[in-house]
Amino acid sequence: AQSVAQPEDQVNVAEGNPLTVKCTYSVSGNPYLFWYVQYPNRGLQFLLKYITGDNLVKGSYGFEAEFNKSQTSFHLKKPSALVSDSALYFCAVRDRMNRDDKIIFGKGTRLHILP
Amino acid sequence: GAVVSQHPSRVICKSGTSVKIECRSLDFQATTMFWYRQFPKKSLMLMATSNEGSKATYEQGVEKDKFLINHASLTLSTLTVTSAHPEDSSFYICSADPGVGGAFGTDTQYFGPGTRLTVL
Repeated sequence: AQSVAQPEDQVNVAEGNPLTVKCTYSVSGNPYLFWYVQYPNRGLQFLLKYITGDNLVKGSYGFEAEFNKSQTSFHLKKPSALVSDSALYFCAVRDRMNRDDKIIFGKGTRLHILP
Repeated sequence: GAVVSQHPSRVICKSGTSVKIECRSLDFQATTMFWYRQFPKKSLMLMATSNEGSKATYEQGVEKDKFLINHASLTLSTLTVTSAHPEDSSFYICSADPGVGGAFGTDTQYFGPGTRLTVL
């Protein structure tokens, strides 16, 4: 069965500094990988996904993520953090071989960007 | 594109009453919709998978008689919390899946803005 781990409950970064939100996954086949962001009292917004192709995926709001098969990781990154990036971030995985499988979410990482 | 709406956004009800939450995909058809529950500062808990025209598939531990799901069309799914109690108070989020390849090429689910349910 697939699973997702986000080892950090919270990440604090100074505005203007690069940020990384970590995610590792486990899936029996090849994965679909996703990042979502949630602002307070809102639903989830899709940021980016990895399906196949280039390991470095670029998404919304300047975010990117790198798929590392050997480390089974899909860390979210941004070169220069903004205060408005403060939110709850979820990594998610779906088994590509069984697309009917539901998406499994990590527990979320709260990102605080300090002015 | 890829807009999913939920109605109502907030609802307060008395214990023992039933509450219906609607989830609509506004600009695409969704053969599958998902209902999640989110507790404060917690991740999403998948409650059930709703397929148009068939019975919903509930996750382990979710009472199907308490959380009634109906997926009457390719753009509408409803969640009814029956005989609500204070412990049912939560943030309920739906998502819609446009299917293989995705209506917008992203091969992912699209989420509604959520419904905050408070049971007094």
